[in-house]
Amino acid sequence: GESVGLHLPTLSVQEGDNSIINCAYSNSASDYFIWYKQESGKGPQFIIDIRSNMDKRQGQRVTVLLNKTVKHLSLQIAATQPGDSAVYFCAEMAWSWGKLQFGAGTQVVVTP
Amino acid sequence: EPEVTQTPSHQVTQMGQEVILRCVPISNHLYFYWYRQILGQKVEFLVSFYNNEISEKSEIFDDQFSVERPDGSNFTLKIRSTKLEDSAMYFCACTSPTGEYEQYFGPGTRLTVT
Repeated sequence: GESVGLHLPTLSVQEGDNSIINCAYSNSASDYFIWYKQESGKGPQFIIDIRSNMDKRQGQRVTVLLNKTVKHLSLQIAATQPGDSAVYFCAEMAWSWGKLQFGAGTQVVVTP
Repeated sequence: EPEVTQTPSHQVTQMGQEVILRCVPISNHLYFYWYRQILGQKVEFLVSFYNNEISEKSEIFDDQFSVERPDGSNFTLKIRSTKLEDSAMYFCACTSPTGEYEQYFGPGTRLTVT
């Protein structure tokens, strides 16, 4: 069936380095993609999103890249900080205000 | 900044009992969702709700589940006869009908079925 999945379950990053989290999706009809951050005991928190008509979108210290040819999504975090330690999920949406289909999650651990 | 709230934060119930999980979405939002997350797993969609009716539901959302918006502020998820496998974090989310499609999530209710 169609699915969204993450390549790396755990990513260890040194403080100050850049982080890259990858995500593969298989539903070519998906129109909207979001990255969420989830800290322990909390709900998913929006980081950044991108529409299917875009290849790149930048936010504050974060960049999302979308490669529709290979159905790949990535999240880049610049100058990773201890507060960035969390589980990161990619999610896709096939139509406006529809359900979000989440990937498996990547645990990011920032070391001093 | 407006936020989604959920009560209770933790609910412990015995198998076979009914539970109601409550959510207060952001006030001007019109699309509402329930998701669940079994410990250590990904977030799974349960149901979406718009204009006082279900828009979409997953296979998980069987006859034991129901949703309701009893007044202008609350959005509830009811599980009629809980099973052990219903133990999970349940998240409410909402989104505005205009502008971006970002879904705002609540802090979740941890449901433990014993």
